[in-house]
Amino acid sequence: GQNIDQPTEMTATEGAIVQINCTYQTSGFNGLFWYQQHAGEAPTFLSYNVLDGLEEKGRFSSFLSRSKGYSYLLLKELQMKDSASYLCAVRDLRGSTLGRLYFGRGTQLTVWP
Amino acid sequence: KAGVTQTPRYLIKTRGQQVTLSCSPISGHRSVSWYQQTPGQGLQFLFEYFSETQRNKGNFPGRFSGRQFSNSRSEMNVSTLELGDSALYLCASSLVGTVSTDTQYFGPGTRLTVL
Repeated sequence: GQNIDQPTEMTATEGAIVQINCTYQTSGFNGLFWYQQHAGEAPTFLSYNVLDGLEEKGRFSSFLSRSKGYSYLLLKELQMKDSASYLCAVRDLRGSTLGRLYFGRGTQLTVWP
Repeated sequence: KAGVTQTPRYLIKTRGQQVTLSCSPISGHRSVSWYQQTPGQGLQFLFEYFSETQRNKGNFPGRFSGRQFSNSRSEMNVSTLELGDSALYLCASSLVGTVSTDTQYFGPGTRLTVL
């Protein structure tokens, strides 16, 4: 199966910058997604990377290095509402021409005032 | 445009019973994927449907099944419920599914509790 690793928990203060790392192992990589999930709610899409480099979207940026099997999500100017679980998901075509998403267990971010 | 809807939102069942969960995708989306989310295992892929056909299946026992209708709405069924089936069941829809760079959009989930 897939090995998608991300830290279980992180904490930061309001206004700070936090980087959430994700490493993965796959032979059929076809894209990496980041989702945000608040407690009791559905995951919401944040970003998508399929090529190496940085994708920026407002306060959120996501980086991918395919050769290293590594991605990170960068959150700037943290706000209290950013307290949530952040899920890293990899699309893998291995064993299938269709591909499917494999999720990490999520990183619970707590933002303190 | 309305988002993904799931019914019911909450469900309590007892061991041995069966349950059917429903998912209506975003209008125009033809692919529906189902996931089970538990604190210990995170999000686990159950199956994906596209044009009424199951295209992908995760590692779950045969007690878990699903189907998709011609209007893209999907149902999943769990028979002979076990305590370990207690989880949040999430449905995600996308335009054509995991064959492309499609993004999956999640519904609010159905919280199933098995007593």
